[in-house]
Amino acid sequence: QKEVEQDPGPLSVPEGAIVSLNCTYSNSAFQYFMWYRQYSRKGPELLMYTYSSGNKEDGRFTAQVDKSSKYISLFIRDSQPSDSATYLCAMSFKDNFNKFYFGSGTKLNVKP
Amino acid sequence: GAGVSQSPSNKVTEKGKDVELRCDPISGHTALYWYRQSLGQGLEFLIYFQGNSAPDKSGLPSDRFSAERTGGSVSTLTIQRTQQEDSAVYLCASSALGGRETQYFGPGTRLLVL
Repeated sequence: QKEVEQDPGPLSVPEGAIVSLNCTYSNSAFQYFMWYRQYSRKGPELLMYTYSSGNKEDGRFTAQVDKSSKYISLFIRDSQPSDSATYLCAMSFKDNFNKFYFGSGTKLNVKP
Repeated sequence: GAGVSQSPSNKVTEKGKDVELRCDPISGHTALYWYRQSLGQGLEFLIYFQGNSAPDKSGLPSDRFSAERTGGSVSTLTIQRTQQEDSAVYLCASSALGGRETQYFGPGTRLLVL
């Protein structure tokens, strides 16, 4: 079993839709959760991070962590064609930031 | 300012050859990471350098893989006797201090082993 599971998609939505991207994980010791966006042929860029449980909002993006269910989500409101990319979740342990455990990424296509 | 750069951007090699991949981190960043991204897979941690500390090599998949970081700046990832399963995108990232600091990724080197 992989440490972090993520549906690869692709997920295709019309412009303006609310997008929900999710990851599940198996190790309850993960404490630090991140979402990265990766455009084609580019390196990933950090979108948001949260520590432990709860929600975090940044503009059109909201990250949620449900530690009891070992489930994290990224919501994108009013999605735009420029949001079309692969979204990767990542997580790490509280006291070890040498390693980040990544999901395989969900490819999102926002149609104009 | 300049971001993380990697070279070459693409590399095609024959099975059994050695390859060297280069990473130039953001100036002043003390932490440097190498990852491998295979098709349909997430980023796989390979190695982590932090300042003058001994690197964390726990992610290197075999002894054919090695990496060094000279002068706390440029890093080279070397793959000896390449195999077809080594074909992947190799990504480098740097961060200011390591830890929870944001990692900035380079564009990657796309390696194809024939």
